[in-house]
Amino acid sequence: QVQLMQSGAEVKKPGASVRVSCKALGYTFNDYDIYWLRQAAGQGPEWMGWMNPNSGNTGYALQFQNRVRMTRNISTSTAYMELGSLRSEDAAVYYCARRARYNSCDLWGQGTLVTVSS
Amino acid sequence: DIQMTQSPSSVSASVGDRVTITCRASQPISNWLAWYQQKPGKAPKLLIFAASSLQSGVPSRFSGTGSGTDFTLTISSLQSEDFATYYCQQANSFPHRFGQGTRLEI
Repeated sequence: QVQLMQSGAEVKKPGASVRVSCKALGYTFNDYDIYWLRQAAGQGPEWMGWMNPNSGNTGYALQFQNRVRMTRNISTSTAYMELGSLRSEDAAVYYCARRARYNSCDLWGQGTLVTVSS
Repeated sequence: DIQMTQSPSSVSASVGDRVTITCRASQPISNWLAWYQQKPGKAPKLLIFAASSLQSGVPSRFSGTGSGTDFTLTISSLQSEDFATYYCQQANSFPHRFGQGTRLEI
């Protein structure tokens, strides 16, 4: 079955880092870029950036530029998103998604809840 | 950055009704627009890409129109499973911002 499987919920203290994984199943990982998005409670999704699994090239939204890093492990078909210097405003559900036609997101992970609390 | 504005923010309707949701981009984006449906506790689901192309498996009662800055999503005859929140997303240039959402209620 074609799916993106994300890692489990995380609880982090302010100032810490979090790493979320996203494993591609049922399709060729290298064939599609991966987007990372997040959604705070009661808000719309927020686009964070993209990664090309072949080249490892990335692009980040300006507000995350200095503290986000998107990487991949081709051998395990897994993408990673690491966000540092966490603050309370970073508490959200984080999603990976597959970049499809016209830059839409046709396949989403189930989401990873990140809680930031002292 | 391109800002996306949806209206209305919420709408009440009944099964069988026709509903239209509007999305406006702060600058022209040609047809680089997607629509998503989201139910509580679930990831968004792609409905429409390229402003008017129906994603595989999505019922034909969903349709999208528009180009440039103004776009609409129409549900021709509401079914009970359509009550959810709908988002537009511009896909023309990074960052691919979403609208604030339209909550469709019974």
